[in-house]
Amino acid sequence: ETGVTQSPTHLIKTRGQQVTLRCSSQSGHNTVSWYQQALGQGPQFIFQYYREEENGRGNFPPRFSGLQFPNYSSELNVNALELDDSALYLCASKEPGPFYGYTFGSGTRLTVV
Amino acid sequence: DAKTTQPNSMESNEEEPVHLPCNHSTISGTDYIHWYRQLPSQGPEYVIHGLTSNVNNRMASLAIAEDRKSSTLILHRATLRDAAVYYCILRGRRRWSNTGKLIFGQGTTLQVKP
Repeated sequence: ETGVTQSPTHLIKTRGQQVTLRCSSQSGHNTVSWYQQALGQGPQFIFQYYREEENGRGNFPPRFSGLQFPNYSSELNVNALELDDSALYLCASKEPGPFYGYTFGSGTRLTVV
Repeated sequence: DAKTTQPNSMESNEEEPVHLPCNHSTISGTDYIHWYRQLPSQGPEYVIHGLTSNVNNRMASLAIAEDRKSSTLILHRATLRDAAVYYCILRGRRRWSNTGKLIFGQGTTLQVKP
C-alpha cells in the first residue's frame, strides 16, 4: 500500500463532543506525526509517535491525544471540542533509516459548531 | 527553533524558471533545509532537502548559500500544476527515531500564469 490515507475527509461536530480521526500509513512507516492547519495558516505540529509511543509534542493541551498501532495505522482523539478546533488535521509518516521526507495525507476537515 | 523568512507571494509564467528565496540567518550547523509544497486541497508534499551542497532531484533544485543563511528553491520550468504554497523549513539533524517536528511558517504562495 502506498501513500497516507485519512478518514473521514470531512466531519462536523458540536462543541463539547469528542472526535476520533484516523490515519493509515504506508507499510514500514513506523513514525507518524499529526498536524493542525487553520485556514490560511501553515500546519502546526501536534505530536509524533514512534513505535507506538509518543516521543514529541507541540503546544497543544492534553485533550489532544493519540494512538499508534502495529499495523501502521494511528488515531488522533480530541475531547471537549472547542470552536477553535475547527481546522484541517493532517497525518504524516516516514520510513525508518535515511531521511527522505514525510509523506502527508490529504487531511480531515473538522468543523466544530 | 530557527526561523525562516519567505516572501508571501510570487508570480511566474508557465514554462519559465522560478526562484523561490528563503532566509534563515539563525540556522545552526546541524540544521537541514527542507522544502515542502502544498497544492490546493491537499496535504504538504516533500520537495527537496539539503545541508550544505546544492541538491537536485526530479522535482526541483536547491541552491544553498555558502554561509547557509539563505537558500533558493528552483523550479526549472514552471507548470500550472506547480501553483502551490511553498514552505521552507529548518529541521535539526537528529536520530531518525527522535522527534522531527516540522515548523511551518506562512510559506510563499506561487501563482503560475498560462
